[in-house]
Amino acid sequence: DVKVTQSSRYLVKRTGEKVFLECVQDMDHENMFWYRQDPGLGLRLIYFSYDVKMKEKGDIPEGYSVSREKKERFSLILESASTNQTSMYLCASGTGSMGNQPQHFGDGTRLSIL
Amino acid sequence: RKEVEQDPGPFNVPEGATVAFNCTYSNSASQSFFWYRQDCRKEPKLLMSVYSSGNEDGRFTAQLNRASQYISLLIRDSKLSDSATYLCVVNPGGGADGLTFGKGTHLIIQP
Repeated sequence: DVKVTQSSRYLVKRTGEKVFLECVQDMDHENMFWYRQDPGLGLRLIYFSYDVKMKEKGDIPEGYSVSREKKERFSLILESASTNQTSMYLCASGTGSMGNQPQHFGDGTRLSIL
Repeated sequence: RKEVEQDPGPFNVPEGATVAFNCTYSNSASQSFFWYRQDCRKEPKLLMSVYSSGNEDGRFTAQLNRASQYISLLIRDSKLSDSATYLCVVNPGGGADGLTFGKGTHLIIQP
């Protein structure tokens, strides 16, 4: 089975802090993704990466950055956390250059910014 | 127009009944379609891919109607454990970027 592991299930940080969310997958997938999920808004794509050191903006990249130094690891960075970034963050990985393969999700990180 | 639309429900269905819900998508060039299941406060999990010819997995049947741009999910002999939110997922461009998720249909199976 595909295993996508997110470093924290719950995280509480303060406004202005720099926050790192880590994600590791064990299936040698080329593609990795970061989403946030909010009530009434569904899942929204923040950033994705289709190769090491490659990154692409998703629908809502503002206030975030990412890092993919190794194929198995994709990090989401909140440069200066704000209260509107309180959310459930989901990492996913997948394979296939044409996006015709499903994505597999980690357990999610519930991030609260105080 | 939203890319992927679903009736949010909730659908309240008695145990053992058959339930079906649809999802419409706006991009006629969409290549890939999936149904995911999400339990409360958990991550989405792949339920099944949706193929052009339709496909079945046990009590679950998925169908694609390209002409009308919708996909459907049918659950037969529903179980209490089927209670969840079902997410319709489309790859609108066929590229390697993120999938587009519907907001989900909430299903409640009642004893």
